[in-house]
Amino acid sequence: KQEVTQIPAALSVPEGENLVLNCSFTDSAIYNLQWFRQDPGKGLTSLLLIQSSQREQTSGRLNASLDKSSGRSTLYIAASQPGDSATYLCAGTGSGNTGKLIFGQGTTLQVKP
Amino acid sequence: ETGVTQSPTHLIKTRGQQVTLRCSSQSGHNTVSWYQQALGQGPQFIFQYYREEENGRGNFPPRFSGLQFPNYSSELNVNALELDDSALYLCASSLAPELRGEQYFGPGTRLTVT
Repeated sequence: KQEVTQIPAALSVPEGENLVLNCSFTDSAIYNLQWFRQDPGKGLTSLLLIQSSQREQTSGRLNASLDKSSGRSTLYIAASQPGDSATYLCAGTGSGNTGKLIFGQGTTLQVKP
Repeated sequence: ETGVTQSPTHLIKTRGQQVTLRCSSQSGHNTVSWYQQALGQGPQFIFQYYREEENGRGNFPPRFSGLQFPNYSSELNVNALELDDSALYLCASSLAPELRGEQYFGPGTRLTVT
């Protein structure tokens, strides 16, 4: 059974700092990995999707990597800004035919001005 | 904006009642998945609809049921509401499941059961 863990649960950093959010999963048979952002009480915004044949994806100040052999993904945020404050969730899809997402519990990030 | 819409935004119901939540998928997407997110937790997969049929179900009781319509919009129905059903309900639309492509989420419906 696939389980996804995110550490730390919460993180507070000063503006401008580079930071890394971690995501680990128990089953290396993970197919895709997707990173989301969630603002309080809101839906999920897709940030990056790393497909099965890829090892990383970049969008602006965000870079996500996937290492299936070690069961880890990281989300790197460069030059953090107060507007980056949100909860970040990672989710993997397995080999089944639904493509259902299995989520971690999220890391709540606060970037202080 | 993902193009995925959900209604209503908020809902308050009493234990034992029934509720229907609605989701319109993004243009071009034929698959809708529903998730339940309790406070402080990651979303949990409820079920998925593809071409108007259920295509996979998570660990939720039969009182959680759904429909998908020919225009690929979807409904989530919950009967005999319990206090623990209080959560944010999210729908996600995507292309055919076997493509395992990116999933786009709506803003969610906040359900409170008293």
